[in-house]
This record gives sequence, C-alpha cells and structure tokens, in this order.
Amino acid sequence: GESVGLHLPTLSVQEGDNSIINCAYSNSASDYFIWYKQESGKGPQFIIDIRSNMDKRQGQRVTVLLNKTVKHLSLQIAATQPGDSAVYFCAENISGYSTLTFGKGTMLLVSP
Amino acid sequence: EPEVTQTPSHQVTQMGQEVILRCVPISNHLYFYWYRQILGQKVEFLVSFYNNEISEKSEIFDDQFSVERPDGSNFTLKIRSTKLEDSAMYFCASSEDNSYEQYFGPGTRLTVT
Repeated sequence: GESVGLHLPTLSVQEGDNSIINCAYSNSASDYFIWYKQESGKGPQFIIDIRSNMDKRQGQRVTVLLNKTVKHLSLQIAATQPGDSAVYFCAENISGYSTLTFGKGTMLLVSP
Repeated sequence: EPEVTQTPSHQVTQMGQEVILRCVPISNHLYFYWYRQILGQKVEFLVSFYNNEISEKSEIFDDQFSVERPDGSNFTLKIRSTKLEDSAMYFCASSEDNSYEQYFGPGTRLTVT
C-alpha cells in the first residue's frame, strides 16, 4: 500500500558553498541540543552539540547557533563537500533525562 | 574508534512472530537506548536503560516490547507478536552518561510480512 512519510525540506548547494540548516525545537525546557547526520541506510552520526548556556559552538567546518528566545537552532557547514550530502536532524534533550527528541530533518544535496 | 554494533542488519519475520534485535554498545558506556525510524519518518525514542533497568520509555514502548542486558556486552530488544506496523529501522545507541552525546549503531531493518 501507499506509505505516508514526511516531506523533507531539501537544501541544494554547490560544492564549496556554505550551507545553513535550520531547526525549530519544541520544548522550552530543553537545554541540550545535538545535530546528527544520517546517510542513506545508516544510523545517525553525531556532528556537534551545544548546551543552553552557550549560543554558539564551533567544530571542524561546522558551527551550531542557538537562539533560545525563539527556540531556534542552526547548523552551518563551511565549504560544503559532496560527502556532506545526507539528511541532517536536530535533536533536543532535557538534562537529567535520556530521551532525545528528533526533529523532522533536512536533506542536504551537494553537487560537484 | 569504538562503535555500536547491531545484528542482524536485516530481519524478516511473519506477523505474530517474536523477534530479538541485538546490540553491542560501546564498552565504557553506561546508558543504552533503542530508537526506531519508520521509512521516511523521523527517529523516535523507544526506551533507555541504565543500571540494569529501564530509566525512561516512550508511549510506543508498550507491553509488546522488552529490553534486556543478558551479559556484560549485549543489549537486546524483544518484540513479541509482531505487527505489520512494526516494520522499521531499529537503532541502538549508547552514551557515557545522561545528556551526553549518544552514539548510534547502523540499525536493524525489521520487515514484518
């Protein structure tokens, strides 16, 4: 039968461009946030995290920005490469609890 | 680099049968998790496990499901009396502590026919 799934927002960029992926989180009590990358047929892969006492954190080629006022999270990828093509999920957590609540995901397509 | 492993990679079962999905978490991690992802949908939390007991579970994790750490390395998810709608990717994850980065395994694709 027909399967009903999420229509993923898609971001298409050229190799070398900078990419910005956005996420709106739902729970104002959340104080820990993670970005995961999921390639086709694989499990989510940790990219970078941030706690609510920060508004910016940088990794290698990636930066996460947190705006608690509007419950918004973004992932910036510098000099995007074809290997960055994947679905990117944000996840939120409340300290002291195990549950990660995942967002809907954004598909990033990088063309050479 | 240590990683979470899962077996089998793909499990096909008939409706009504029981399945056991297996995971080996990262060895020094203390928290273990199961998530599922129905095709095309987002990853959903099922259960977390710490100190040999369930610490949290979602409303999805009903009496049909159970988890066990039968020895010092394995962590299993048992699904009894499988239904068609249980077809999904099941991911195991582990972390050193609560609210720390969770490392995911490659998943087991469960197909219920």
